[in-house]
Amino acid sequence: GIQVEQSPPDLILQEGANSTLRCNFSDSVNNLQWFHQNPWGQLINLFYIPSGTKQNGRLSATTVATERYSLLYISSSQTTDSGVYFCAVSHYGGATNKLIFGTGTLLAVQP
Amino acid sequence: DVKVTQSSRYLVKRTGEKVFLECVQDMDHENMFWYRQDPGLGLRLIYFSYDVKMKEKGDIPEGYSVSREKKERFSLILESASTNQTSMYLCASRKSGNTIYFGEGSWLTVV
Repeated sequence: GIQVEQSPPDLILQEGANSTLRCNFSDSVNNLQWFHQNPWGQLINLFYIPSGTKQNGRLSATTVATERYSLLYISSSQTTDSGVYFCAVSHYGGATNKLIFGTGTLLAVQP
Repeated sequence: DVKVTQSSRYLVKRTGEKVFLECVQDMDHENMFWYRQDPGLGLRLIYFSYDVKMKEKGDIPEGYSVSREKKERFSLILESASTNQTSMYLCASRKSGNTIYFGEGSWLTVV
């Protein structure tokens, strides 16, 4: 099945710093989403982005489907950005509604 | 506003007990999912359902069953709970081809 790899696995930032999180996937996808899981376990949708670029405030994401990767940019990080960031994909030829998750990037933003 | 509600946030059960985890969504989504999340393993799909009374096995269905008698409700059943089923369980729903939405999670401890 499709493999989803995220890097880096862990990241520590000072407040105000910028960061880039990466998601690589091993097959063509028809869906890609980025999530933020807060310390209480809630998964928050960030972007639905099977291709192209989107921005929402300090966050933006780019998916280059032909090269099988997606990037999540966090600018001017804040302590509330801490948590785990997941990307998840579903792929052509698989069960169309089945999302496969990467193992996440654990982000800690220090004041 | 979208809403996926999991009935129990924290449960402690004894080995061998039958456990029901309930999930309700108010978005008229046809697809519903149960994931479990464990440290270092990310989110793994247990079962999903694409319509009332329809279900498909995910990646780790062993020891679990599901029920979907109504479109808005998807139940996860542990027939005989075991300690290796101690985990956080996440329910999600999705309209085909669109963003997936997660509940707040249910922390289950089996002793």
